Amino acid sequence: GAVVSQHPSWVICKSGTSVKIECRSLDFQATTMFWYRQFPKQSLMLMATSNEGSKATYEQGVEKDKFLINHASLTLSTLTVTSAHPEDSSFYICSSWTGPNPYEQYFGPGTRLTVT
Amino acid sequence: LAKTTQPISMDSYEGQEVNITCSHNNIATNDYITWYQQFPSQGPRFIIQGYKTKVTNEVASLFIPADRKSSTLSLPRVSLSDTAVYYCLVGDMATGRRALTFGSGTRLQVQP
Repeated sequence: GAVVSQHPSWVICKSGTSVKIECRSLDFQATTMFWYRQFPKQSLMLMATSNEGSKATYEQGVEKDKFLINHASLTLSTLTVTSAHPEDSSFYICSSWTGPNPYEQYFGPGTRLTVT
Repeated sequence: LAKTTQPISMDSYEGQEVNITCSHNNIATNDYITWYQQFPSQGPRFIIQGYKTKVTNEVASLFIPADRKSSTLSLPRVSLSDTAVYYCLVGDMATGRRALTFGSGTRLQVQP
């Protein structure tokens, strides 16, 4: 199957700083990538849809100025958490798909963000 | 999207067969049933998908009755490494490129 990687796998940052998370499709071109957030013992919640060459679409309640998404190439999407606060500590996961089955998507291994 | 209901958690022992049932009473004619597996601190992984009757692969079997209002994921002879959260998703294959909606899932704990 297709492979999606994320970097870093975990990161600790201080409150007020910014953190960038990368999501790469290693063996396919991803015109669309999805970013999810998962708090402990909870399910995945969609944050935004990232489209190559255009602006991301954010879910209701997700601050687009705080969670900056850039999808500048067909294999890379980045999520930048700006002015991070402890409540942003979470597990961030990206996914994409190669088609044609929209329910067979490939997820990255996730990035654990801890804001102190 | 059809709403799904799964047990919150299940416990089992190594070597046993585990059956996780998902209820989806308002499933539509064009909807398929998909199951994902998520290990701790990892992204979810697609494991199986079906429309009706029975589907089997190297990981699991999926049983879907004729009315399709429920489905059962069957894991044969589980091991400790099958400890994970299992998500049932139901939706139309013609939705195109869209994000997945995950419910609460079923947390399976396999004991030695």
